[in-house]
Amino acid sequence: DSGVTQTPKHLITATGQRVTLRCSPRSGDLSVYWYQQSLDQGLQFLIQYYNGEERAKGNILERFSAQQFPDLHSELNLSSLELGDSALYFCASSVSHKGELFFGEGSRLTVL
Amino acid sequence: AQKVTQAQTEISVVEKEDVTLDCVYETRDTTYYLFWYKQPPSGELVFLIRRNSFDEQNEISGRYSWNFQKSTSSFNFTITASQVVDSAVYFCALSEPSNTGKLIFGQGTTLQVKP
Repeated sequence: DSGVTQTPKHLITATGQRVTLRCSPRSGDLSVYWYQQSLDQGLQFLIQYYNGEERAKGNILERFSAQQFPDLHSELNLSSLELGDSALYFCASSVSHKGELFFGEGSRLTVL
Repeated sequence: AQKVTQAQTEISVVEKEDVTLDCVYETRDTTYYLFWYKQPPSGELVFLIRRNSFDEQNEISGRYSWNFQKSTSSFNFTITASQVVDSAVYFCALSEPSNTGKLIFGQGTTLQVKP
């Protein structure tokens, strides 16, 4: 158990819909990272938040957004969903930008 | 640009065989970090090792060993006496030192260990 909690574990929705994925980092970790794992793109970095502020951005679509709340949990919002958004979304946390990364078990999104 | 290449898409071995997973990386940074992660069928990502580019010593942890060669930009992973439980997808990854959580992953190598 990494200590990173992601909900929901599985989500099935339809094209055009909007979903929110939630991540609770390990206690004390200020940094939260979001990754997407899809058959087409593999594992890719989406975005990072550090203590509430956006710190780094990767290949995140404009239809996707994220935020980190004062209690340090983070949410990834995916809107206008397309079939290609079906993927496993991982959240990871670390103490700082240089700390060891701990991954959650992922949220599997299926868009029908 | 940074890039990680795992040329082996799938490898199949029989239990107790040794197996080496290849990883080649590209980066313009003079310092960087390299990682290996394991993704078993259950789907979670399990951290195996992190190596600083300054440390070229090979590392051994039980049946696992890693060979880092800066001259060839390679960071290969060897499993000795493989076991069925080693069956998983293995990912090599690269990061810059200023943000070690921002990983560039390779495409992964699926290892199947048959009894």
